Amino acid sequence: DIVMTQSPDSLAVSLGERATINCRTSQSVLYSSNNKNHLAWYQQKPGQPPKLLIYWASTRESGVPDRFSGSGSGTDFTLTISSLQAEDVAVYYCQQYYSSPQLTFGGGTKVEIK
Amino acid sequence: EVQLVESGGGLVQPGGSLRLSCAASGFIFSSYSMSWVRQAPGKGLEWVASIKEDGSEKYYVDSVKGRFTISRDNVKNSLYLQMNSLRAEDTAVYYCVRGSMLIGPWGQGTLVTVSS
Repeated sequence: DIVMTQSPDSLAVSLGERATINCRTSQSVLYSSNNKNHLAWYQQKPGQPPKLLIYWASTRESGVPDRFSGSGSGTDFTLTISSLQAEDVAVYYCQQYYSSPQLTFGGGTKVEIK
Repeated sequence: EVQLVESGGGLVQPGGSLRLSCAASGFIFSSYSMSWVRQAPGKGLEWVASIKEDGSEKYYVDSVKGRFTISRDNVKNSLYLQMNSLRAEDTAVYYCVRGSMLIGPWGQGTLVTVSS
């Protein structure tokens, strides 16, 4: 199984400041046949189901604000919120689909307002 | 608009059974693989099972193999999860999700509590 390790577990950021979340996979999720990283990010707001934010490590889902960006390749990935807004308070999860349909998620990072 | 509505959760004793259902609408159900993902109270997300578009292939996380069965009815646009020999560690909100790689949208979930 591909193990996903997220850091930090939580972070508090002032409104308008940058938030950075890291995700490391136990093996590369870069698929040679399509040269794409099979890595997604989800946002889960309190009391709601998760919502897909980013896929292929850096492609924003339709409707996702451009303050959200994803980067990285191989085994190390980052989700960045460039200017934190109040509505961004949530738990963020990374997920690999390299070994689809055997999916695995990171442990989650809780983002709060400082 | 895509809608996924789960039902069938509740309180069950250890060793008992439950059958979860998910009613899908707003998309061509038979064209998509489907999955169940669970979330224990206050915990993270865990993929449970997936099924291909035509139901020909099914996949499970190791912890539920032999106890849970995923199935679908493409005429009724419905997804199911039969859960047997339930354990306390199966307590979670169970989400029905479209897809088996990139997964979404998600339903609102149904809570399964395994306790005596």
